[in-house]
Amino acid sequence: NAGVTQTPKFRILKIGQSMTLQCTQDMNHNYMYWYRQDPGMGLKLIYYSVGAGITDKGEVPNGYNVSRSTTEDFPLRLELAAPSQTSVYFCASSQGQESNYGYTFGSGTRLTVV
Amino acid sequence: EDKVVQSPLSLVVHEGDTVTLNCSYEVTNFRSLLWYKQEKKAPTFLFMLTSSGIEKKSGRLSSILDKKELFSILNITATQTGDSAVYLCALKAAGNKLTFGGGTRVLVKP
Repeated sequence: NAGVTQTPKFRILKIGQSMTLQCTQDMNHNYMYWYRQDPGMGLKLIYYSVGAGITDKGEVPNGYNVSRSTTEDFPLRLELAAPSQTSVYFCASSQGQESNYGYTFGSGTRLTVV
Repeated sequence: EDKVVQSPLSLVVHEGDTVTLNCSYEVTNFRSLLWYKQEKKAPTFLFMLTSSGIEKKSGRLSSILDKKELFSILNITATQTGDSAVYLCALKAAGNKLTFGGGTRVLVKP
């Protein structure tokens, strides 16, 4: 079982460039999430999905887009990268509202926008 | 808006010491409170608490929730250098979303 797999692990973008952060899980979890973590801070929710075809905004969605065409995949798109988007991005999944095990996190993508 | 506040921000202890981490919260529709340990990479799950007064234990770590006073504590006894990490408290409310606190950075010196 691979769990939650994120790619790439590191990326440097120039201001205005676009990129997609990939996230795949093989646990058949319905719920998936994208968080960002700025240095010395907790995690902030960007977008989440409760199932294929359903997505919703979290706390800090501006500058990002998501899609959920399959249960397994939940890519995060940055359209016009800005220095404020320099952060570590974590994808996570969970079984559902009654899960006793919290979330399963991916290993993160460290993004720098210069 | 749900809110999670952790204290202290950071602390330094020596091996063998006991540490107590605090997490206070404000929430509209409480489901559970979770603790995570974060070392270099992704947070790893420690505990999920849903009921007041019931201590959860895992080895040298334990945690308890007080839903009346809206806080939780995480205790680590006989600390080891491997306990050095950021400890995150998170609140699960309606919709299964987690709201995280800012974390407490623990450094255990030999």
